[in-house]
Amino acid sequence: AQSVAQPEDQVNVAEGNPLTVKCTYSVSGNPYLFWYVQYPNRGLQFLLKYITGDNLVKGSYGFEAEFNKSQTSFHLKKPSALVSDSALYFCAVRDEWGDYKLSFGAGTTVTVRA
Amino acid sequence: EAQVTQNPRYLITVTGKKLTVTCSQNMNHEYMSWYRQDPGLGLRQIYYSMNVEVTDKGDVPEGYKVSRKEKRNFPLILESPSPNQTSLYFCASSLSVGASNEKLFFGSGTQLSVL
Repeated sequence: AQSVAQPEDQVNVAEGNPLTVKCTYSVSGNPYLFWYVQYPNRGLQFLLKYITGDNLVKGSYGFEAEFNKSQTSFHLKKPSALVSDSALYFCAVRDEWGDYKLSFGAGTTVTVRA
Repeated sequence: EAQVTQNPRYLITVTGKKLTVTCSQNMNHEYMSWYRQDPGLGLRQIYYSMNVEVTDKGDVPEGYKVSRKEKRNFPLILESPSPNQTSLYFCASSLSVGASNEKLFFGSGTQLSVL
């Protein structure tokens, strides 16, 4: 069985400070990992993914994520947060050896204060 | 414009009255799926489809049906809705899975209330 955990319901940071949103996963095979963002009153949007290759993945809007196999983590990061980054962030995982189900975490609400 | 279109955006119904939420994509995507979003539970996959006439259960399929008769359409059917199916529903599609172009495009969502 596959699963993903986002241990923080909420993350609050000041504008200009680094932002980190945590994600850990559990799969039997190799993971396919994704981050999606849901802005207020807008739909869900893809940010970035890790399939294979470099552990540091760069995505949209200045976000990046680091795949750490030994810690089974895929934390989302942004060096300097903007007020406009305030949103709900979801981590998702699919097991390369499983069927084609995609499992999402419960989400982390990010608030960036001016 | 490339998009996933869901209808309706809002729906209020009563217990037991069959309903269908439509989903259509214009990107020739092979993979389509349905999710429900509930506070504290994130997104949970209901059903997915790898291609025409190929559908599979996700994590929470009970009480739902789907069909994939055409590549572009993937309707979600609630034969006998119950109050615990009150939720925000999202349809999504991806060109493919297991490849470099695996990436979901989401519809705008359907807020369903079952009284």
